[in-house]
Formats: sequence, C-alpha cells, structure tokens
Amino acid sequence: GAGVSQSPSNKVTEKGKDVELRCDPISGHTALYWYRQSLGQGLEFLIYFQGNSAPDKSGLPSDRFSAERTGGSVSTLTIQRTQQEDSAVYLCASSSSPRGRGLETQYFGPGTRLLVL
Amino acid sequence: GDSVTQMEGPVTLSEEAFLTINCTYTATGYPSLFWYVQYPGEGLQLLLKATKADDKGSNKGFEATYRKETTSFHLEKGSVQVSDSAVYFCALSDLTSGGSNYKLTFGKGTLLTVNP
Repeated sequence: GAGVSQSPSNKVTEKGKDVELRCDPISGHTALYWYRQSLGQGLEFLIYFQGNSAPDKSGLPSDRFSAERTGGSVSTLTIQRTQQEDSAVYLCASSSSPRGRGLETQYFGPGTRLLVL
Repeated sequence: GDSVTQMEGPVTLSEEAFLTINCTYTATGYPSLFWYVQYPGEGLQLLLKATKADDKGSNKGFEATYRKETTSFHLEKGSVQVSDSAVYFCALSDLTSGGSNYKLTFGKGTLLTVNP
C-alpha cells in the first residue's frame, strides 16, 4: 500500500482479555517498529524488527506484551491479560533497510487506540 | 541513556507570528535529529530532519539547525498559519557502533495553537 496501515483503529476491551493489534508496513520496508503513545509517558519505543527477527525488545513493558512478524511484512502486537494502564495509542512505523547513519526515515501508521475498561 | 527535552507548552500564537519551540538532547553516540508533527486526528508525520552537526533541516517554512555545541535542535517558523496548529515532537535516532536499530527517542511534545 501507499503507507503504513494499522488495524483496528480503535479497540475497547475488558480488563483481563487478550488483544491483537496489526500493522501492515510499507511494501519493501524491512525495518518495523512499535511505539506506544500515552498521556503520562509520551511516545515510547516498544520493539524493533529487522525482517522477521526482533533484535531489540527492550521497550516491551512486561511479559504480557509480545510481537511477531511474518514474511518480513505484517506484524502483530499481542497484549495478554490487559490492564487499564495498557490504555494508549499503539503506533507502528516502518523504514527501509538501514544502511549508513541517520539515513532512514520512519513512516508512521495512524495508530490503534486501545481502551481497557 | 538518550533523552530529548522540549518546551512542553501549550503554545498559543496569532497568525503570522514567529514560532520557536526549543529542543535539547542527550545522546551517547552520533544522533540524527528529527521534528515530527501530529495534526488533529492524524498520525505522526516527519516534518524535517538533520543527520550531522550544523545541518539545517527545512520543510513547509519550518527550519531547525543541528547544534552539537549546545546539543540543541530548535524548531522555528517565521510566520505561522492556522493550519500549523498541531502537536510537534522532537526526536533523535542514535545509531551506536555496530548497531542497526534506528529507534526514535521522543520529547514529550508541544501543542501549538494558532489563532486567526
């Protein structure tokens, strides 16, 4: 597609339920990032994929959070046993394969707004 | 670790006023610097970037100069418009030796409102 797409755009769930958030990166982009945007914490990095591998998961806030990427394309972020503090906007970004320094621009999707009741 | 500090605002200006949003950073490597903008109801868009010291990024009348000596990347525009009303985020990407991760570290964001 022309840009990064994410689904669903909004998700309301009950505390304790599992949720899956999907990201479709720009075609051909090998790097994919997940970020979280919340009122208290601002924009935080969660996880980075290069191809299907995740060399940096340092931003995942707990073991309830996991992510995978298949076929070097679509990625799914899963939150198990959701808590109210998980309420936030989850943003996905993609960029082409990093070569050199500072040459890669991340293109962001519109985000998924998650509300945990 | 890396960090970005920016004016939190909110900032309210009249149309055609001069805009400055301050941004300073701390990084261990050789960061690239970015300004992203988020218009109401929309996703993050890259506004401008600079990849090395003394570079000036510019776009849509906005400018920012990478100042290594003051570790700053202040955003400026000479004459703002109502359509510039948005949240502006300063960010850095710090690729350390041997790394491949261009993850972004963001400031808290500055809400700009421009009144006619």
